[in-house]
Amino acid sequence: AQSVTQLGSHVSVSEGALVLLRCNYSSSVPPYLFWYVQYPNQGLQLLLKYTSAATLVKGINGFEAEFKKSETSFHLTKPSAHMSDAAEYFCAVSDQENAGKSTFGDGTTLTVKP
Amino acid sequence: ETGVTQSPTHLIKTRGQQVTLRCSSQSGHNTVSWYQQALGQGPQFIFQYYREEENGRGNFPPRFSGLQFPNYSSELNVNALELDDSALYLCASTRGTNPTDTQYFGPGTRLTVL
Repeated sequence: AQSVTQLGSHVSVSEGALVLLRCNYSSSVPPYLFWYVQYPNQGLQLLLKYTSAATLVKGINGFEAEFKKSETSFHLTKPSAHMSDAAEYFCAVSDQENAGKSTFGDGTTLTVKP
Repeated sequence: ETGVTQSPTHLIKTRGQQVTLRCSSQSGHNTVSWYQQALGQGPQFIFQYYREEENGRGNFPPRFSGLQFPNYSSELNVNALELDDSALYLCASTRGTNPTDTQYFGPGTRLTVL
């Protein structure tokens, strides 16, 4: 069984500050890891994904995440927050046998203060 | 290339009724996954269809059923609706079943059960 824990259901940063959203996963097999963003009344948009290649993954809109096997983590970062980054962010895990059948965390709501 | 579309956008039903939700896959995609997203939670995997056959199911009762058509569009049917079925229902399409394939999500159908 796989699981995802997102630490902090709400994160608030000032515009221009570092964004750090935390994700820890549990998987008995090599994982594939994803970060999605969801704006109000919209579906999920993929920000980035780890698929066993480079451990530092760069995504869209300046986001990146680092896969750390020893810490079972896949934290999402962005050096400088923009007002348009305010949204809900979801971390998800799947694996070779479960392509497209991801297990999601409960999400982190990011607020960006002017 | 058109994106994933879902219909209807909103739906209100009463307990015990039946509902059908529809999803049109992105062009060239033969795999559709359905997710239930309750308020304040992450999406939960319901089931996946690949080339018109069910290809995996999450922890949902049999009253949740689906279909995929030759054009790879899909339906989610829920019988005997319960209050807890109130949620945002998301479908996501992928080009195939490779775990590195990106899932493209539709905007969802908001179901309210009274």
